[in-house]
This record gives sequence, structure tokens and C-alpha cells, in this order.
Amino acid sequence: DAGITQSPRYKITETGRQVTLMCHQTWSHSYMFWYRQDLGHGLRLIYYSAAADITDKGEVPDGYVVSRSKTENFPLTLESATRSQTSVYFCASNSKGLADTGGTDTQYFGPGTRLTVL
Amino acid sequence: GNSVTQMEGPVTLSEEAFLTINCTYTATGYPSLFWYVQYPGEGLQLLLKATKADDKGSNKGFEATYRKETTSFHLEKGSVQVSDSAVYFCALFLSGSARQLTFGSGTQLTVLP
Repeated sequence: DAGITQSPRYKITETGRQVTLMCHQTWSHSYMFWYRQDLGHGLRLIYYSAAADITDKGEVPDGYVVSRSKTENFPLTLESATRSQTSVYFCASNSKGLADTGGTDTQYFGPGTRLTVL
Repeated sequence: GNSVTQMEGPVTLSEEAFLTINCTYTATGYPSLFWYVQYPGEGLQLLLKATKADDKGSNKGFEATYRKETTSFHLEKGSVQVSDSAVYFCALFLSGSARQLTFGSGTQLTVLP
């Protein structure tokens, strides 16, 4: 299916376990993003990627690892989950390419993954 | 740094009421401004956007005007429907090395029949 998908949609894990959230987009967008959504905080950027093999930290990167070996995939790994990482995680991709220097940007969001860390 | 401030919710209205959700921003430069909507259980969808001062974005009966003098981008709709119940996020984007959106905290809207 075309678009941006996330898996799993729901995940329950325990403190200290490693968890990987998957994100896949079919548009070949250069930019991809991971956000977490928490009540009262809106969406906060965890990591982003400008292209395959290029990633950078966002506002709240601690405790997370990302990789981007292929343009269409951008997995997010919690190396040792903590209760404070209980959240809803959204992946997004951006319609503008790396060479663009201005103009408007439209980000397209996946449906989210609700993660609970016990 | 850049930031977006939205009116706190939740907001509860009756069907056909007038809606305003306030949004102000702080940015170093001239951002593009967006409203995103999140329906229950779904991801965010772009509702409307404006790229420069005095631009008006509109979609599905919603409107917002980019006001540089007041650094605001208030969302309005003349007659809300039950189906408009959702969380609304104001966001800004500044050109640069990273295509990051800065979001407000979101405003929950509930429309009662």
C-alpha cells in the first residue's frame, strides 16, 4: 500500500528490554522523522534523517537509536526501555528533497505506535 | 529558540458554533505556519498552511491567517460539526539544514450534537 506505515501499532514491554519500532514509506521521501507524543507536550522530535545513512538528533534523543540503511525504512530502537518512554510514537516523512532550500514543507505522518513500558 | 504556544484545551462547543483556536509563535526568521489535525486513533494530517505574512490558509471550512505583526496564526471555523472533534496542532517550519517542525502542545476540540 502507498503511504507511510508503522509497526507494531501497539506494544507492551518491560523495563530494560530492547524494542524496535518500524517505519516504512513508499514515496521515496528524503526526510524522515520520529516524534513522541505525550500529554501536555505536543509532539517532540526524537531523531530525523535527511537521507539514507544520514541521521541526526532532535529535541529528545536520549535512550533511542535510529538507523537508515534504505531510503524507505527508518526504524527506531529503544535499547533499554524505561517507563518514561511510555508514549505514542509517530513516524513522518517530508515531501521536499535534500536539495531544496526553501518553500513550504508538508510532513506526512504514520498512524502511530502506542508503546507501554511496564 | 523557536516555539509555538496554543490555547489550552479542552474546548467543547455545540454543533454550528463558531470556533477559534489561538496560536502564537516565536521564531528567528520568517517561518511557514501549519495547522495539523489528529482524529482519534490516527496520525496527524495537514489541515492548512501559510508560507508568508498575510497569507490565508483554508481547507474544509477552516481558515487561518498568517499575522506577522502579532506573530499569530489563529484557526477559525464558522460552523463546527461533530465530525470536527479532534486534536488540533499548530506548527512552524523554518528553512535550514533540517526540515523540522516545531509543534504546539495541541488543543482538544469536542463538538456536541
